[in-house]
Amino acid sequence: EAQVTQNPRYLITVTGKKLTVTCSQNMNHEYMSWYRQDPGLGLRQIYYSMNVEVTDKGDVPEGYKVSRKEKRNFPLILESPSPNQTSLYFCASSLGLAAPGYEQYFGPGTRLTVT
Amino acid sequence: GENVEQHPSTLSVQEGDSAVIKCTYSDSASNYFPWYKQELGKRPQLIIDIRSNVGEKKDQRIAVTLNKTAKHFSLHITETQPEDSAVYFCAAISAGTASKLTFGTGTRLQVTL
Repeated sequence: EAQVTQNPRYLITVTGKKLTVTCSQNMNHEYMSWYRQDPGLGLRQIYYSMNVEVTDKGDVPEGYKVSRKEKRNFPLILESPSPNQTSLYFCASSLGLAAPGYEQYFGPGTRLTVT
Repeated sequence: GENVEQHPSTLSVQEGDSAVIKCTYSDSASNYFPWYKQELGKRPQLIIDIRSNVGEKKDQRIAVTLNKTAKHFSLHITETQPEDSAVYFCAAISAGTASKLTFGTGTRLQVTL
C-alpha cells in the first residue's frame, strides 16, 4: 500500500530534550516536506527536500533540522524543543510539486506537546 | 514570497445548498493552485487543482475557478452533503520557487441537516 508514515503519532516532552520525528514514504517520491499546523494559521512549511542530500528552508525553519540521506526517509529533528513548538506536524511527499497529478501525500500527523 | 489569504474562516450551509470559498494570492508568477480537504482528526487530502492556463475545472460536485488578473481563485461545492463538513485549504505554488507550497489559513465548512 502506497503511504507516508510518521512516528511517533503522539509525543509529550520537556523543554530542551532533543527529539526526532521520523517520516518514511514507499512511493519513490523525489519531493518531501514538513509542515506544522496551528489553529488559525493553516499549514506552514518548515523544510522541504527536492531529492537526496538536497534540503531547503520553508517559511518557519527556526528551531528545526532535517536530513535526507535516503530517498524514502526525511526525519525532523528538534535539537532543543521549546513550548512554542507545540503543534501538529505533517510530513508529505510527492513526485514533484508544481503540476497536476503531482499530488502531495500527507502522513497521519504527529501531535507534539512541549512542556 | 507568496502570501495566500483565504475567506471565510468558517462557513455554515444547509444540506443541498452551495458553498464558496475564496482565496487570493500575491505572487503573479504563481501557476498551480491545489485545494485540500481535511476531515476532523485526519490528514489533508487533495480534492482538486488547477493550473494558471485554465480558468475553470470541475469534478462532479466541486469546481475551482481562477482569475489570474485579479489573482484570486475559488472553490465551489454544489449540493452540499454532511460528509462535505471539513476544513478546506487553498494553496499556491510560485513558478519562481517551484518547491514551496504556500497554504491559506483554512475554512471550516459545516453542512447542517
